[in-house]
Order: sequence, then C-alpha cells, then structure tokens
Amino acid sequence: GQQLNQSPQSMFIQEGEDVSMNCTSSSIFNTWLWYKQDPGEGPVLLIALYKAGELTSNGRLTAQFGITRKDSFLNISASIPSDVGIYFCAGHDPGGGGADGLTFGKGTHLIIQP
Amino acid sequence: NAGVTQTPKFQVLKTGQSMTLQCAQDMNHEYMSWYRQDPGMGLRLIHYSVGAGITDQGEVPNGYNVSRSTTEDFPLRLLSAAPSQTSVYFCASSYGHPSYNEQFFGPGTRLTVL
Repeated sequence: GQQLNQSPQSMFIQEGEDVSMNCTSSSIFNTWLWYKQDPGEGPVLLIALYKAGELTSNGRLTAQFGITRKDSFLNISASIPSDVGIYFCAGHDPGGGGADGLTFGKGTHLIIQP
Repeated sequence: NAGVTQTPKFQVLKTGQSMTLQCAQDMNHEYMSWYRQDPGMGLRLIHYSVGAGITDQGEVPNGYNVSRSTTEDFPLRLLSAAPSQTSVYFCASSYGHPSYNEQFFGPGTRLTVL
C-alpha cells in the first residue's frame, strides 16, 4: 500500500516563529489534506488540495500540492499558543488498490515554548 | 447538530472479551469510517461504509466487524479483544468520499485491553 513520510516528527518552537512541515508519498496522489488534532479530540480538516501546484491559504496557514503529486507542505506563520497540537497530512491514491480510503501520515507534534 | 458522537469515551477490557463501540452522526452523511490511532502510527483505516447496507475493509480490519443498518449508525465490534487492540478509536463521517468531502471526526474512544 501507499506510504506517507511526514516530517519532522516533532517541533519545539518559540511563539511568533514560522513553522514548516511536509509529507512525501511513495505513489501519486490526487488529493492532499491537512488535519490538526488537539489533545483529547478528533482531527479537524484545515486545508484540502486537489491540483498539482495548487497553493491554498487558511488564515496563517498555507499548504501546497507538490508538482510531482508525491508531496505536500504546510506552513504556519507567526505561531501562537493555540497552534499547539498534532498536524497530519493525508492523501488519496485512487489507483492504489486495496482499501479506497485516505492514507495518513504519522503526524507532526508542534510544541510552542513561551 | 451533534455531529459525530462516540460511546463510550473510555473502556477497559480483559483479553477475550467482546464489545461494541458505538458511532452515530446526524448530518445525513453517506460515508462513514473507523480509524485506530496508535502512538507514532498516525491514523489507520479499519473499516468503512459508503452507505447503509454497504461496508468494506480498510487497512487493518482483522479482529473487527462492522455493520451499517442505518445511515446514522456505524458500530464497530471487537469479537475477542487482544492487547494489540489497545488504541484510540475514531469514527468519522463525510457526505461523500473523504478525499473530496470534509470528513468530520468524533471525539474518540480510548480502549485498553489487559
């Protein structure tokens, strides 16, 4: 099946810093999604990307669908305390065979130091 | 709207016991999924359903059964619990396939198998 490599695994940053994380896949995806999970809750969709090269923003968050269709990145500008959580990338490969669902990365833990 | 609800929030089982994790949504979504989340593993798809009466296996279906008798409900059954099934379980729903329709997650069920 598909494999998603998400990095970094964790980030310790100061409030106000910019954050960048990325995902790469072993196969071509037709959709890239970015989710955030707060402690003790389920993930919430942040940004959805549907076309190679697409760049989409949601407030201080910006995500891009890589041109090769095998990668995506998420940037957070001017981090604030409520950005703390786990960020997941997810993708869909309709020709991948097996279960027709999303494949999730292992997550990036974002920790903001005061 | 309550969104996606899951019960119970916490559960402790002994090896070999069976139980059902409940999931319900009130958004009239056709597509529902069960995921498990383990430390450092991200979310992995167990089973999913594209509508009432239709279910299919995900990435890690062994040891779990599902049924979808109504649009609203999608219970997950553990037939004979094993310590390897200790995890956090999330139910999710979306109007259509989650690659193109926002997927809403429940708050999760934290299961420990002794």
